[in-house]
Amino acid sequence: NAGVTQTPKFQVLKTGQSMTLQCAQDMNHEYMSWYRQDPGMGLRLIHYSVGAGITDQGEVPNGYNVSRSTTEDFPLRLLSAAPSQTSVYFCASSYSAGTNQPQHFGDGTRLSIL
Amino acid sequence: GEDVEQSLFLSVREGDSSVINCTYTDSSSTYLYWYKQEPGAGLQLLTYIFSNMDMKQDQRLTVLLNKKDKHLSLRIADTQTGDSAIYFCAVALWGGNNRKLIWGLGTSLAVNP
Repeated sequence: NAGVTQTPKFQVLKTGQSMTLQCAQDMNHEYMSWYRQDPGMGLRLIHYSVGAGITDQGEVPNGYNVSRSTTEDFPLRLLSAAPSQTSVYFCASSYSAGTNQPQHFGDGTRLSIL
Repeated sequence: GEDVEQSLFLSVREGDSSVINCTYTDSSSTYLYWYKQEPGAGLQLLTYIFSNMDMKQDQRLTVLLNKKDKHLSLRIADTQTGDSAIYFCAVALWGGNNRKLIWGLGTSLAVNP
């Protein structure tokens, strides 16, 4: 049982480049989300999805796009990378969006924008 | 507004108990979570407590909740070097049509041999 799998683990981009961070879960979870983790800022929600075909913005959505075509996958796209997007990105999933549903996290993608 | 606060650092000796504290502002919290993050890894769920409970025990972990003071604590008994990590408190609210998780900034626990 792999849980939540994120790829790549590390990535270096140049300013202006685009890329997609992949996230897949094998637990048949309806809810998936993307966070970024920055020193002194904690975890901030970027985008989330409550099911296939349904996505919504979190607290820091600018510069990022998401889609959810299947239950398993929830990719995060950086449209035109900026140095301010240097961060560690975590994908998380839970059975549903209920408050009693703990989230399961992937191991993260460490992204540097030069 | 909604806020969760934790002290940033805690240092204990191996074998001692560790107590990590968390305070929150929103009284409409439903579930409160503790996560552990080891270096270079994702967040791992440790335990969670429903807001109408005062205490939950799970092996070496004890969670205490004082809802009146909006104070949550995580006690780790017989702390080991493998417990060195960052511990995050998160408070779940029902925000209209969706869950909202409010995260603390994390407490870095250092366990000294």
